[in-house]
Amino acid sequence: SAVISQKPSRDICQRGTSLTIQCQVDSQVTMMFWYRQQPGQSLTLIATANQGSEATYESGFVIDKFPISRPNLTFSTLTVSNMSPEDSSIYLCSVVVGYSNQPQHFGDGTRLSIL
Amino acid sequence: AQKVTQAQTEISVVEKEDVTLDCVYETRDTTYYLFWYKQPPSGELVFLIRRNSFDEQNEISGRYSWNFQKSTSSFNFTITASQVVDSAVYFCALSEAPGGTSYGKLTFGQGTILTVHP
Repeated sequence: SAVISQKPSRDICQRGTSLTIQCQVDSQVTMMFWYRQQPGQSLTLIATANQGSEATYESGFVIDKFPISRPNLTFSTLTVSNMSPEDSSIYLCSVVVGYSNQPQHFGDGTRLSIL
Repeated sequence: AQKVTQAQTEISVVEKEDVTLDCVYETRDTTYYLFWYKQPPSGELVFLIRRNSFDEQNEISGRYSWNFQKSTSSFNFTITASQVVDSAVYFCALSEAPGGTSYGKLTFGQGTILTVHP
């Protein structure tokens, strides 16, 4: 199974600033995704991080607000831009390893609070 | 569109009681995967099980068991002899099988908060 390291684990930020979250996997993975979990809520998919090309965003999420990079098969970043208190959430990276019988792995998440 | 419904928002039990968490799903896909995850207070998401829609056999893992009923689109999770450490939020999720354009994307239910009292 894949080991996913997500940084930072938590942060407190001022409104109007931006924060970049890193997701590093210990092996090459087929697919990488970013999810958001608002307080007391379920997880919602933000986007699919595509290696070497622009990310694919879900409805309600845009590149200007959540730019994503994936320069190789083991690393991705999610930036939360121009933050407001509504962006206070847990952000989770997840990966799929291959197309065989593999579970979907999640990083430990980044707890983000905006003041 | 896919949808997962966990009708039980919160469940409270006393230790050693059995508890069942319900999950009902909707999908137009003929093949799909169903998942259960546990999210303890520390916040990480712990994978519990993945079930292929082709495999309707029930599964048991220690105190955990899962009942997959394709006819009723349900994938229920039972904890036998619950313990305080089982207290967490439990999520049921659904994804397409490999080959689909949305493979790997998870649709989550709203989650069930389970509290096990000593």
